[in-house]
Amino acid sequence: GAGVSQSPSNKVTEKGKDVELRCDPISGHTALYWYRQSLGQGLEFLIYFQGNSAPDKSGLPSDRFSAERTGGSVSTLTIQRTQQEDSAVYLCASRSSGTDHYNEQFFGPGTRLTVL
Amino acid sequence: AQRVTQPEKLLSVFKGAPVELKCNYSYSGSPELFWYVQYSRQRLQLLLRHISRESIKGFTADLNKGETSFHLKKPFAQEEDSAMYYCAFKKAGSYQLTFGKGTKLSVIP
Repeated sequence: GAGVSQSPSNKVTEKGKDVELRCDPISGHTALYWYRQSLGQGLEFLIYFQGNSAPDKSGLPSDRFSAERTGGSVSTLTIQRTQQEDSAVYLCASRSSGTDHYNEQFFGPGTRLTVL
Repeated sequence: AQRVTQPEKLLSVFKGAPVELKCNYSYSGSPELFWYVQYSRQRLQLLLRHISRESIKGFTADLNKGETSFHLKKPFAQEEDSAMYYCAFKKAGSYQLTFGKGTKLSVIP
């Protein structure tokens, strides 16, 4: 019965380095979302997975951002050559069904990324 | 593009006073609207959705299609209501939520 988990909880990196952020959704949830939460900017949609497929990558800010999901479970968001403007809290959410879009999205605690 | 506007970044009210957090959306079709809340050091969580017509923790929100609004209301604010509130919009049948920038509610004892 654990909720969505994310790791690491905090990540400090130097400009230009690559980072990987991990999301473990609730078991059995087929839909998975990544958002970015910046100060004063609300939540910005990044990418949506249905199973292992990502039908919508339109929210990814640049080609430095990529994400994958394996086994219909764990997802990894990778940011290459990080920039200071990438600093934000990255949130993951999962939802139980791919067809019933009324279902609630359950959010993880987020990963706070700081790029120096 | 669909947009969600929360005009107030910060709203301060005294305990026991009425609260109204404003949310307006831009969409000509049938929307689905939600309020999410994030208490200090806690995860973002769903507070209520318009389709359920429910009252949660004393909060209600009515969808007004004429004014394209979904304001969140509570008649008597409590200290434990202090949190960040996000209005979110979804097109019917879509998977994607669009969030507003959020309003920080501070209830003064």
